[in-house]
Amino acid sequence: DADVTQTPRNRITKTGKRIMLECSQTKGHDRMYWYRQDPGLGLRLIYYSFDVKDINKGEISDGYSVSRQAQAKFSLSLESAIPNQTALYFCATSDIQNTEAFFGQGTRLTVV
Amino acid sequence: AQKITQTQPGMFVQEKEAVTLDCTYDTSDQSYGLFWYKQPSSGEMIFLIYQGSYDEQNATEGRYSLNFQKARKSANLVISASQLGDSAMYFCAMREGFGYSTLTFGKGTMLLVSP
Repeated sequence: DADVTQTPRNRITKTGKRIMLECSQTKGHDRMYWYRQDPGLGLRLIYYSFDVKDINKGEISDGYSVSRQAQAKFSLSLESAIPNQTALYFCATSDIQNTEAFFGQGTRLTVV
Repeated sequence: AQKITQTQPGMFVQEKEAVTLDCTYDTSDQSYGLFWYKQPSSGEMIFLIYQGSYDEQNATEGRYSLNFQKARKSANLVISASQLGDSAMYFCAMREGFGYSTLTFGKGTMLLVSP
């Protein structure tokens, strides 16, 4: 089993719909992150959490919200999806020393 | 200003040759870490190598080495003896400071390895 699991792997949704992307990890790490990848832009940070009670906005948080349900679970929600949120989304975790970030397989989201 | 700059959108190399992917960074922190990730066409992010700012020696992991030039703020990835499976997008990233920090990524370099 993967250390960081994202569900779903692929999703097509309609404009205006609410959608949740889920992430769970078995690394035992406190730190979890959500990134978005667009062609030519690299990965950009949406939200991050350093422990269960901590939530922080990243570079591009508008239109997104998150929930840290447990140490192992960190979900990303699009309250009202729009086409320019079509992207590849990654969840990641890291340990306190931050010498490596472990990524999920990615969720390819298409908003039509 | 961009914190991580990868100036090569695409690179071509022949199999078995060495290739260098460029990365420059911008930070005022004394403590930071530099990372390289590989993203094949399947989409997953694969960690390749890490260099801490206080590490005196360049990091190496198998065919990957990181050419760390602190004064020039560069952290180039060197792949020796390229293989067809090395064809992928490569991202440089930086963590600033210790403790509570996040990774900032460059825009990536697409590497194509030809037979």
